[in-house]
Amino acid sequence: AQSVAQPEDQVNVAEGNPLTVKCTYSVSGNPYLFWYVQYPNRGLQFLLKYITGDNLVKGSYGFEAEFNKSQTSFHLKKPSALVSDSALYFCAVRGGYNTDKLIFGTGTRLQVFP
Amino acid sequence: NAGVTQTPKFRILKIGQSMTLQCTQDMNHNYMYWYRQDPGMGLKLIYYSVGAGITDKGEVPNGYNVSRSTTEDFPLRLELAAPSQTSVYFCASNPTSIYEQYFGPGTRLTVT
Repeated sequence: AQSVAQPEDQVNVAEGNPLTVKCTYSVSGNPYLFWYVQYPNRGLQFLLKYITGDNLVKGSYGFEAEFNKSQTSFHLKKPSALVSDSALYFCAVRGGYNTDKLIFGTGTRLQVFP
Repeated sequence: NAGVTQTPKFRILKIGQSMTLQCTQDMNHNYMYWYRQDPGMGLKLIYYSVGAGITDKGEVPNGYNVSRSTTEDFPLRLELAAPSQTSVYFCASNPTSIYEQYFGPGTRLTVT
C-alpha cells in the first residue's frame, strides 16, 4: 500500500535561515510526488511536483524539493525563510496500482519567526 | 476562470439532518475529488470521479454519496448527519491524475 510520512508536526525557523520540511514515502513502482501549502482558512495550493527527470525540482515562492530514490524521500527546502512562509505544508504521493488517488501526509506546520 | 468553487462556506447541521455540498469547476477537468480534513489527520479521500457518470470510493466513503452528471459539477451528499462528520470538506480537480490538483476554498461543517 502507498503511504506518506511527515515525521515533524512542526518546524520552527528564524527568518533568513534555510528551512527543510521532511517527507518520506512508500509506493510500488515509480512515485509521483507533490507538495502543497495551506494558509489559514484556505484550500491547498500546489507548490511543486516530481514526476520524472532531475531530482531537484523548483517550484513556487522559491521552494524546491529533492527526490531521493534510495532514501525514498522528497524533502521540501528553501534557502532563506520568510515570515510569510508560515503555513501548513502537505506532502502527497501517487503511485502503485491505485494511480488515480493521491495519498496525503498528515502535514507539517512551519513557523518562521522574525 | 473561477477555478474550483464550493458552497456553502459554513454550515451547522443537527444530528440526522441531510445536506448537499456543492462543488463546481470551470476548467473542463475530467477528474474531481472530495476530501475531508480533520485536525492532525491530513486529508482523507471520500470519493472521486474520473469523468461524468463515473464515481468511485476513496478511503472514507461511509455516510456519503456522490454523483457526477456533468463535467463541471460533483456534489457530495450527507445523509443522516453524525457528529463524526464534523470536518472541513475540500473539493479538488485535475485534468488527469498525473497533474496537480486544484482545490476549492472548503466547506466547514459542524454536526451537533
